Amino acid sequence: NAGVTQTPKFQVLKTGQSMTLQCAQDMNHNSMYWYRQDPGMGLRLIYYSASEGTTDKGEVPNGYNVSRLNKREFSLRLESAAPSQTSVYFCASSDGAGMNQPQHFGDGTRLSIL
Amino acid sequence: SQQGEEDPQALSIQEGENATMNCSYKTSINNLQWYRQNSGRGLVHLILIRSNEREKHSGRLRVTLDTSKKSSSLLITASRAADTASYFCATGGSTLGRLYFGRGTQLTVWP
Repeated sequence: NAGVTQTPKFQVLKTGQSMTLQCAQDMNHNSMYWYRQDPGMGLRLIYYSASEGTTDKGEVPNGYNVSRLNKREFSLRLESAAPSQTSVYFCASSDGAGMNQPQHFGDGTRLSIL
Repeated sequence: SQQGEEDPQALSIQEGENATMNCSYKTSINNLQWYRQNSGRGLVHLILIRSNEREKHSGRLRVTLDTSKKSSSLLITASRAADTASYFCATGGSTLGRLYFGRGTQLTVWP
């Protein structure tokens, strides 16, 4: 039972490079989320998708784009990476609106921007 | 901000003792959730309490919610070394899909 799978687990980029973080869930959940976790800051929502075909900005969307490819997959793209984007990125999913349902998390992508 | 704030930031106890963590928030909520995060892993949902509930139990966990004081507490009874983790509260508000996480309490349980 995989749950939420994130790839890659680790990545080092140079400033200005681009990359896409992948996320897939096998629980048939409607809603998916991308968070970043920085020391002392808790989790901050970057983007979320309440259902297939819709995406909305969270607290910290600048510098990121997302694609809800299908019901299973939700990707996060950094077009031009900056050192301030060094963080641990978590993808999550929930069955319905997050405010009423538990969210299920992947194990994260640890991203370093040099 | 709607973000919850946990207290204390860090808690260190011996196995067998009880651990209590608190969460305070600022705006009205629909529900409050508690999550656990082991080192290097993602968050795991522990328990959800709705705004019209006052107390909820799950195994060794007991959660209380006081909406008049805008606060919640998580009690872990008879702690084990395996309970060592960070614990986060998250509040669900009026915006669909949004959960607001606090900065967490780091719990260390010594054998």
